Amino acid sequence: GAVVSQHPSWVICKSGTSVKIECRSLDFQATTMFWYRQFPKQSLMLMATSNEGSKATYEQGVEKDKFLINHASLTLSTLTVTSAHPEDSSFYICSARDFSGLAGGITDEQFFGPGTRLTVL
Amino acid sequence: GQNIDQPTEMTATEGAIVQINCTYQTSGFNGLFWYQQHAGEAPTFLSYNVLDGLEEKGRFSSFLSRSKGYSYLLLKELQMKDSASYLCAVRDGDYKLSFGAGTTVTVRA
Repeated sequence: GAVVSQHPSWVICKSGTSVKIECRSLDFQATTMFWYRQFPKQSLMLMATSNEGSKATYEQGVEKDKFLINHASLTLSTLTVTSAHPEDSSFYICSARDFSGLAGGITDEQFFGPGTRLTVL
Repeated sequence: GQNIDQPTEMTATEGAIVQINCTYQTSGFNGLFWYQQHAGEAPTFLSYNVLDGLEEKGRFSSFLSRSKGYSYLLLKELQMKDSASYLCAVRDGDYKLSFGAGTTVTVRA
């Protein structure tokens, strides 16, 4: 199957600082990537859809000015948590959509990154 | 909107069979996925159904009835390593996934 990486795998930061998380599709091109957030013992909640070369679309209730998304190339999307606060502490997971199915899966399947654990002190 | 329900927890014995049910009410349907997730890790793909019926993949099978808004994941010959959370996810017409809360399966010796 296809490989999606995330960096960093974990990060601890002080309240008020900004944190950038990278999501890369390593062996296929992804014009669309998705960002999810998962709180302990809860399921994944879609935050936004990242589209290469255009603005991200955010789900209801997600602040676009707080969670900045940039999809600058066909293999890289970044999520920046601005002015992070303790309530932003969560597990952030990205996925990349494989349109063609050539990455080894089903057409339009999403391949997930390993996640980034963010802790804001 | 999407409403996806699955049981919170299930416990079974090693070697047994467990069936995890998932019911959904969605505004658009473009396939149903089952994922396995171990604590602190990303979900890994298990199965995909878009047409009614049963899909079998080794020890794991998944069933879908679109008219009933119902799916199940069947895990056979349970192994200790199968202890994990199992997520039911529905894909809509925009290819976005909505996840259920997950079912934690505990396999006991």
